[in-house]
Amino acid sequence: SYELTQPPSESVSPGQTATITCSGDKLGDKFASWYQQKPGQSPVLVIYQDTKRPAGIPERFSGSNSGNTATLTISGTQAADEADYYCQAWDSSTAGFGGGTKLTVL
Amino acid sequence: DVHLLESGGGLVQPGGSLRLSCAASRFSFSSYTMTWVRQAPGKGLQWVSTITSGGDSTYYADSVKGRFSISRDNSKDTLYLLMNDLRAEDTAVYYCAKEVLLWSGFDYWGQGTLVTVSS
Repeated sequence: SYELTQPPSESVSPGQTATITCSGDKLGDKFASWYQQKPGQSPVLVIYQDTKRPAGIPERFSGSNSGNTATLTISGTQAADEADYYCQAWDSSTAGFGGGTKLTVL
Repeated sequence: DVHLLESGGGLVQPGGSLRLSCAASRFSFSSYTMTWVRQAPGKGLQWVSTITSGGDSTYYADSVKGRFSISRDNSKDTLYLLMNDLRAEDTAVYYCAKEVLLWSGFDYWGQGTLVTVSS
């Protein structure tokens, strides 16, 4: 499967901007998606096709993708945003997930 | 709202088999590619297998190729995963997921079903 690399953890203060990166070979040539997962819950799609937000996802979630790196940005981070975040992309009809980033809001 | 409900998980011995089902409702199931994703206890998400809307094309992770088989019955709005020759490393929660657009991410996930492979 396609290998994607994320930092294991990030921390952010409430109200500040959180940035989570995801790197993979020629990732910018593919569509990146991002998922939020809270303990004991199923993943929730927050960004797809690099920059699009599904209905119901707050505007503070945004994404970008260029070169070998996709980025998830959370502006005005709230305590409720504390969760694990996973990037995902398709390559040659196989899907890859990043290892996940635990976002701590403190 | 879209609903996906997995079933069929449980405890199975190494080398055994299990068939998971995912009952879909409230969307046009036959129009969408569907995928199985698993998550081992305390670990990250791992893609397992994908099947196109008509069932004509299937794709598998190397770790399950030759052992797992994905299928669907569009007349019953149900997705399946037949798992053979199960190993301890297959222990995980298995989620079925609906694709938002072709090759573009998964917008709806089931609640998952736990598969435990142990003697």
